Amino acid sequence: RKEVEQDPGPFNVPEGATVAFNCTYSNSASQSFFWYRQDCRKEPKLLMSVYSSGNEDGRFTAQLNRASQYISLLIRDSKLSDSATYLCVVNPGYQKVTFGIGTKLQVIP
Amino acid sequence: GAVVSQHPSWVICKSGTSVKIECRSLDFQATTMFWYRQFPKQSLMLMATSNEGSKATYEQGVEKDKFLINHASLTLSTLTVTSAHPEDSSFYICSAPPSGRAQSSYNEQFFGPGTRLTVL
Repeated sequence: RKEVEQDPGPFNVPEGATVAFNCTYSNSASQSFFWYRQDCRKEPKLLMSVYSSGNEDGRFTAQLNRASQYISLLIRDSKLSDSATYLCVVNPGYQKVTFGIGTKLQVIP
Repeated sequence: GAVVSQHPSWVICKSGTSVKIECRSLDFQATTMFWYRQFPKQSLMLMATSNEGSKATYEQGVEKDKFLINHASLTLSTLTVTSAHPEDSSFYICSAPPSGRAQSSYNEQFFGPGTRLTVL
């Protein structure tokens, strides 16, 4: 089983739609979690950290479910500019982070 | 946020040549930097951890004699791909934790813009 698993997609959604991505991780001792956004041929950029209590930043909501070992990202009112690959990142706490393969989102006009 | 630069942004070379990629932290010191590689449609994979003043730590399956890492100063790490072959063609990205701290549970990473290597 991979350390971090994501559905690569692509997810094709119309503008204004709500879309959710999940990411599962295998190491139950993992300590911190992040969602990064990566545009084509660019470096990843931090979108948001994921906390146990869940956190929201504008149209984006991230949740962590430790019992089931998954994190989620919800995007409301999708914009064309949200089109990108969303990377799930897990830090097991010993100076090494693991990236998921990324979920590709394409928002369609 | 902290700024990390990489040079060159892209390079095309012939098989058998060596290519050097630089990673610089522009507004902070970094005792640790990380080198990643990303093949098309695949995850970012950590190749090695670059440590200022000591040897780099390589991940399993990464040849240390092929991918030479030198952390020359608190703001510069270099990755040299020696005798590059077409299968080394990839997107190489470095990252550094802010404030010179090693990867910790709660720090985000700041990434360089990446170097796209194409070996003919």
